[in-house]
Amino acid sequence: DSGVTQTPKHLITATGQRVTLRCSPRSGDLSVYWYQQSLDQGLQFLIQYYNGEERAKGNILERFSAQQFPDLHSELNLSSLELGDSALYFCASSADGYNEQFFGPGTRLTVL
Amino acid sequence: AQKVTQAQTEISVVEKEDVTLDCVYETRDTTYYLFWYKQPPSGELVFLIRRNSFDEQNEISGRYSWNFQKSTSSFNFTITASQVVDSAVYFCALSEEGNDMRFGAGTRLTVKP
Repeated sequence: DSGVTQTPKHLITATGQRVTLRCSPRSGDLSVYWYQQSLDQGLQFLIQYYNGEERAKGNILERFSAQQFPDLHSELNLSSLELGDSALYFCASSADGYNEQFFGPGTRLTVL
Repeated sequence: AQKVTQAQTEISVVEKEDVTLDCVYETRDTTYYLFWYKQPPSGELVFLIRRNSFDEQNEISGRYSWNFQKSTSSFNFTITASQVVDSAVYFCALSEEGNDMRFGAGTRLTVKP
């Protein structure tokens, strides 16, 4: 158990819908990262937050947004969902944004 | 731009064989970090090791060992006396300035009894 929690574990929704994925980092970690893992794209970095502020942005679509709250938990919002958004979404946390990242169990999103 | 190449898509070995997973990286930074993660069939990503660019010492942890060579931009991972429980997808990753972690495509290792 990495100490990073993600909810929900599974999510099934329809095209055009909006969903919110939630992540709680390990106790004491200030940085949260979001990744998308799909069969064709592999493991892709989406976005990083550090102590509430956006620090780095990767291949995140405009339909996606994220935030980190004062209690350090983070949410990833996916809107206008498409079939191609079906993937495993991971959250990771690290102490200071430079050390190793510890991953949560992931949320499997299925868009029908 | 940073890039990680894991040329071996799949490897299959018989239990107790040694196996080496290759990782080649590209970066323009002098300060960077290299990682290996394991993704077993259950799906979670498990951190194995982190190496910074200034530390070329090889590392051994039980049956696992890592060989970091800046001259060839490689960070290879060897499992000695492989076991069925080692079956997983292994990812090598590179982080420049510790922010944007770039993963390789992964190597699927199957260890047969």
